[in-house]
Amino acid sequence: NAGVTQTPKFRVLKTGQSMTLLCAQDMNHEYMYWYRQDPGMGLRLIHYSVGEGTTAKGEVPDGYNVSRLKKQNFLLGLESAAPSQTSVYFCASSSGEAGYNEQFFGPGTRLTVL
Amino acid sequence: AQSVTQLDSHVSVSEGTPVLLRCNYSSSYSPSLFWYVQHPNKGLQLLLKYTSAATLVKGINGFEAEFKKSETSFHLTKPSAHMSDAAEYFCVVIPRGFGGYQKVTFGTGTKLQVIP
Repeated sequence: NAGVTQTPKFRVLKTGQSMTLLCAQDMNHEYMYWYRQDPGMGLRLIHYSVGEGTTAKGEVPDGYNVSRLKKQNFLLGLESAAPSQTSVYFCASSSGEAGYNEQFFGPGTRLTVL
Repeated sequence: AQSVTQLDSHVSVSEGTPVLLRCNYSSSYSPSLFWYVQHPNKGLQLLLKYTSAATLVKGINGFEAEFKKSETSFHLTKPSAHMSDAAEYFCVVIPRGFGGYQKVTFGTGTKLQVIP
């Protein structure tokens, strides 16, 4: 079991460029999440999904889009990157509702927007 | 509404001495509470969780936490620090029992330094 994997691990973008971050999980989990981590702010939820074909906004969704076409994959897109999106991005998954079930985290993607 | 306050952004202890990382929470509903650990340049790993069973929860690597409803606290402790415990620790609160998605609130983290 690889658990939760994220690609790429590092990326540098110029302002206005676009990119997609890929999250994959092999645990057959229904729930998947995208977070960003900024110094002194903990993790903040960007978007989440409670099943294949469903997505919803989290706490800080502006400037991001997501898709979950397959149960095991959750994609995070930046259409026009801004320096404020420089952050470390974490994907997570859980088997059921987060109030009862552990979230499993990927290793993160460090994104720098110049 | 819910919130989490980690009372110390940095904690420094000597190897072999006790660890105390403090977490206070507020929640309009019965909460589940979690502690996660993040080692440098790694993802987060679950240490332990409270989901309405025993109020004293034991986790991995010798950590434990006690849910105190009257004090709205969920402090993390370990009797004897090890060098490998040096990491950042996050307290997390989630309302419980509604089905579907509930808002997950992370604390801002406590960095634990262990001095040899």
